Amino acid sequence: AQSVAQPEDQVNVAEGNPLTVKCTYSVSGNPYLFWYVQYPNRGLQFLLKYITGDNLVKGSYGFEAEFNKSQTSFHLKKPSALVSDSALYFCAVNPRRGGGNKLTFGTGTQLKVEL
Amino acid sequence: GAGVSQSPSNKVTEKGKDVELRCDPISGHTALYWYRQSLGQGLEFLIYFQGNSAPDKSGLPSDRFSAERTGGSVSTLTIQRTQQEDSAVYLCASSLSRLEGTDTQYFGPGTRLTVL
Repeated sequence: AQSVAQPEDQVNVAEGNPLTVKCTYSVSGNPYLFWYVQYPNRGLQFLLKYITGDNLVKGSYGFEAEFNKSQTSFHLKKPSALVSDSALYFCAVNPRRGGGNKLTFGTGTQLKVEL
Repeated sequence: GAGVSQSPSNKVTEKGKDVELRCDPISGHTALYWYRQSLGQGLEFLIYFQGNSAPDKSGLPSDRFSAERTGGSVSTLTIQRTQQEDSAVYLCASSLSRLEGTDTQYFGPGTRLTVL
C-alpha cells in the first residue's frame, strides 16, 4: 500500500526567508505527486503536481517542488516566504497503476511565517 | 465558474442519529470523492465515484457509512447511528477524470460534523 510521510508537524520561517516543507513517499514505481494547501476554515486548494518530465515543478503562488526518485521525496519550496503563506500543507500520492484517481494524503504540515 | 459546494457547512447531532451530507460537484466533472479530515490525522479517503462505474468504497470505515451519486452529479454521504468518533470535517472533491491518476481534484469547503 502507498503511503506519504510529512515528518514535520510544523515549520516556522521568517518572512523573506526560503521555506521547505518536506514530503517522502512509499510507492513502487513512478507515482503521481501533489501538493495542496488549506487555509483556516477552507477546503483544500491545489498548488502543483508532478506527472512526468522535468523533476522541478512550478505551481501557484511562487511555490515549486522537486521530484527526487532516488530519495523518494517531493519537497515543497519557495524562495521567499510571505506571512500570507501561513497555512496547512498536504502532500499526496497516486500510485499511477491501479489507484484510479484517489489520493493518499500525508498528515499535513502547519507552516507559520512570521514577520 | 462555481466550485464544489457542500451542505450543511456545520452539523451538530446526537449520538445514534443518522446524518446526510450533500456535495454538488463542479459541472462536467465525472469523478467525485469523499474524504474525512480528523484532527491530527490528515485526510482519509472514504469513497470515489467515477462516471457510471461501480464506486470504490474501499475507504469507508464501517457499514454505517454509505454514499450515492444521483444522475452522475450530486452526491450524498450518509452516516447511520452516528458515534462520537465520526466527528470530523467531511470534504468532497471533484475532477474531470482524464488520464487516470493525474487529475487535479477540486475541493469543497467541507461539512464540520460534531456528534455529541
